[in-house]
Amino acid sequence: KAGVTQTPRYLIKTRGQQVTLSCSPISGHRSVSWYQQTPGQGLQFLFEYFSETQRNKGNFPGRFSGRQFSNSRSEMNVSTLELGDSALYLCASSVKTGSETGELFFGEGSRLTVL
Amino acid sequence: KNEVEQSPQNLTAQEGEFITINCSYSVGISALHWLQQHPGGGIVSLFMLSSGKKKHGRLIATINIQEKHSSLHITASHPRDSAVYICAVSLRQGAQKLVFGQGTRLTINP
Repeated sequence: KAGVTQTPRYLIKTRGQQVTLSCSPISGHRSVSWYQQTPGQGLQFLFEYFSETQRNKGNFPGRFSGRQFSNSRSEMNVSTLELGDSALYLCASSVKTGSETGELFFGEGSRLTVL
Repeated sequence: KNEVEQSPQNLTAQEGEFITINCSYSVGISALHWLQQHPGGGIVSLFMLSSGKKKHGRLIATINIQEKHSSLHITASHPRDSAVYICAVSLRQGAQKLVFGQGTRLTINP
């Protein structure tokens, strides 16, 4: 069974640009969540999706957005990039619904560098 | 004060030693997760627990809901156990809305 796949794995952008990251969950998993990891702030929750609906959102500005498609694949977008957006972005999937806690399976992450 | 606190932040030990990492939290949770992160970034879920104790190989995780405290133990530690161990809690209002501890960097010397 394939794991959680995140693309791209590495990318470099400049300030002001926008970026889209993709996450393909494990087959059969309908819950997808996104997290940001930086050296200063550690790991922080971004969004949680289930059945194409955003269930929860973390404390991030509106420049950070996401969506989930009918096949459970998810994308997150960051617009007007800032230097502080440089981070490892991790996606996780779970077989459980948003209201039930299931084991999380993480992707390898997308490492974004903003110059 | 952070909602999830881990101790110690750094731990260096010799191969074979018994390791304990602690996690305390101050919020209502639906579950607690222990995660492992190796250099390079990938995160692996070690345990998810909401009560009692779980064991997997040389790893043991316990949680005391009344005291809002969890421990991760590693028996017969090995250099390949060297990694960052992260405690995270699932908030009651959103199972995947995790709040993370700052992590414990474990180094096991041969």
